[in-house]
This record gives sequence, C-alpha cells and structure tokens, in this order.
Amino acid sequence: ETGVTQSPTHLIKTRGQQVTLRCSSQSGHNTVSWYQQALGQGPQFIFQYYREEENGRGNFPPRFSGLQFPNYSSELNVNALELDDSALYLCASSLSGSGYTFGSGTRLTVV
Amino acid sequence: AQSVTQLGSHVSVSEGALVLLRCNYSSSVPPYLFWYVQYPNQGLQLLLKYTTGATLVKGINGFEAEFKKSETSFHLTKPSAHMSDAAEYFCAVSGADNYGQNFVFGPGTRLSVLP
Repeated sequence: ETGVTQSPTHLIKTRGQQVTLRCSSQSGHNTVSWYQQALGQGPQFIFQYYREEENGRGNFPPRFSGLQFPNYSSELNVNALELDDSALYLCASSLSGSGYTFGSGTRLTVV
Repeated sequence: AQSVTQLGSHVSVSEGALVLLRCNYSSSVPPYLFWYVQYPNQGLQLLLKYTTGATLVKGINGFEAEFKKSETSFHLTKPSAHMSDAAEYFCAVSGADNYGQNFVFGPGTRLSVLP
C-alpha cells in the first residue's frame, strides 16, 4: 500500500483560469471522492467516482468536473476560477466504500 | 438530509486531563458516524467509526466515542490528553444506505493541549 498522494501540494491561480488537481489512489481502490475544505470549515463533498463513472455529486456547479482513470488516478478540474474557490482540496479513495483513505490535499489560492 | 454540529470551535485542556469533544447529528436514515483528526498541513485520519452493533466504539490513540440514538450524539472522549493530541477534529455522518457517497462533516473543533 502506498497511500493516497495528491499533486501539487500548493497552487496559485488567477480568477477566470482553469486548474487541474491530481490524485493517485491507493492501489486497487476503485472509488475516489473529492472534497473542498475552505479555511476554518469542515470538508464539503464535491463528487465521487466509482469504476470511472461519477456516482454521486454534492452541491457544486458544473464547472467542477472530474475524471477517474483505470490506473487508480483521478483528476479534479475547475473552470472559470472564482476567489471563493480558494480552499484545500482533498481526495479520498476506497475499495467499494469499505473505508476511505484521505490524501494530504492541494491548497489552491485564487487571486 | 444529514447534518452535523460540533459544540465549541476551540477546546483547551491541560495535559493529562479528560478530553471531551461534542458532536450531534441529524439524519433521516440510519447513520454511520465517524471522527477524523487533521494535523496541520495534512489530510484527514480516521480515529474511529460507528456503523452497527456496539454503541461504544474504541479507536486509535486511546480515543473512544459512544453512539446515543436518543440524544443524536456521538461525543469523542479520551481519558488523558497528550500534547500530541493537539489538532483539528471533525465529526462526520454518512447514510447507511449511501455510505461514502456523501460524507457530511461538521465544522470542526480545534483541540489545544496545555502543558
């Protein structure tokens, strides 16, 4: 087991730009969830992918999208960045929901 | 719909004292309940979880929590605080029918441990 790794660890983007965040899941984990954690708040569920298909989504607009790949990696894409998108983005992987392992997150700052 | 409240955004205890972090939830379906800890610049680490069965759940690092359905509570306790326990603690709920599809987290409680 190698755990869940996220890249990059920190990122600064300009309002209106697009960003891609990456997550490498634990080997064999077919489920990945993404969360947004604003400063001083708890994580909020963005969406979940199971076997490369989105199978659950929180209250986030369509400019938040994702992909999951056969090699257990995944991406979170955010278009038309807004200042309020500044947050820590966490991914968590699981084998069919049996238990979730979280990565250390990507800190995104939008200026 | 599910929600979580955590009473006290910041709790301070002395080293060796009892730790009590409060969590109340609401859920329209049987809940699964979790406590996570987050150290600075790190992700979330699972302390313990309740799914079914025994309502007193023991976790890592000496923490435990008791599920009280009548009080809709899942408070976290540790008999004796250690300096290394200083961190942010999050309570979370997930529906038993959609486990993992939508963890709802509370706002968190920052625990400080004083020497």
